[in-house]
Amino acid sequence: DTAVSQTPKYLVTQMGNDKSIKCEQNLGHDTMYWYKQDSKKFLKIMFSYNNKELIINETVPNRFSPKSPDKAHLNLHINSLELGDSAVYFCASSHWGGENTEAFFGQGTRLTVV
Amino acid sequence: KQEVTQIPAALSVPEGENLVLNCSFTDSAIYNLQWFRQDPGKGLTSLLLIQSSQREQTSGRLNASLDKSSGRSTLYIAASQPGDSATYLCAVRGPGQNFVFGPGTRLSVLP
Repeated sequence: DTAVSQTPKYLVTQMGNDKSIKCEQNLGHDTMYWYKQDSKKFLKIMFSYNNKELIINETVPNRFSPKSPDKAHLNLHINSLELGDSAVYFCASSHWGGENTEAFFGQGTRLTVV
Repeated sequence: KQEVTQIPAALSVPEGENLVLNCSFTDSAIYNLQWFRQDPGKGLTSLLLIQSSQREQTSGRLNASLDKSSGRSTLYIAASQPGDSATYLCAVRGPGQNFVFGPGTRLSVLP
């Protein structure tokens, strides 16, 4: 029973296309995140939502737009894809708050823009 | 701004050795620190969570310590096995509420 699931796992698309990645968690968490792992394997926060509200919006091109229809879902839509968008995108979830807030990650979506 | 570093960047050891991975962070105002494992082409698996009020956590052959005041954590792996080969990542969470990751340590355990 997958805790954080992302679809699709692999995505190959041409430059200029628009694509979406979906994420769902069944852990009852109230906070969800999108992270990007670049070619050097470094993980960097992109967005964070708490109870469907955008909390963190790092310096990310406007072509990236997250949407959270409810606490259990956080989708990422990318417009006008560019070669530099190729990376692995990870969804994660946790409880909001203090010390006992463990993060759980999905299996990642490997996006390749050609 | 929180910055996390990990030493060494890569490590290769023979099977059976005990080893230590290091994680350092610049801002000691953290809620917790989490160690993850990432296998090639896979997602992140949570190994241990240390709350800021704790000094260490243990799970099987893994032991993680935290010295918040000095901005350091170590992950100790006892009696390493080839199946331990992976990239190990540490991440800290603070008032900013996101998890800030280090660059990882790539571990190879040779049979």
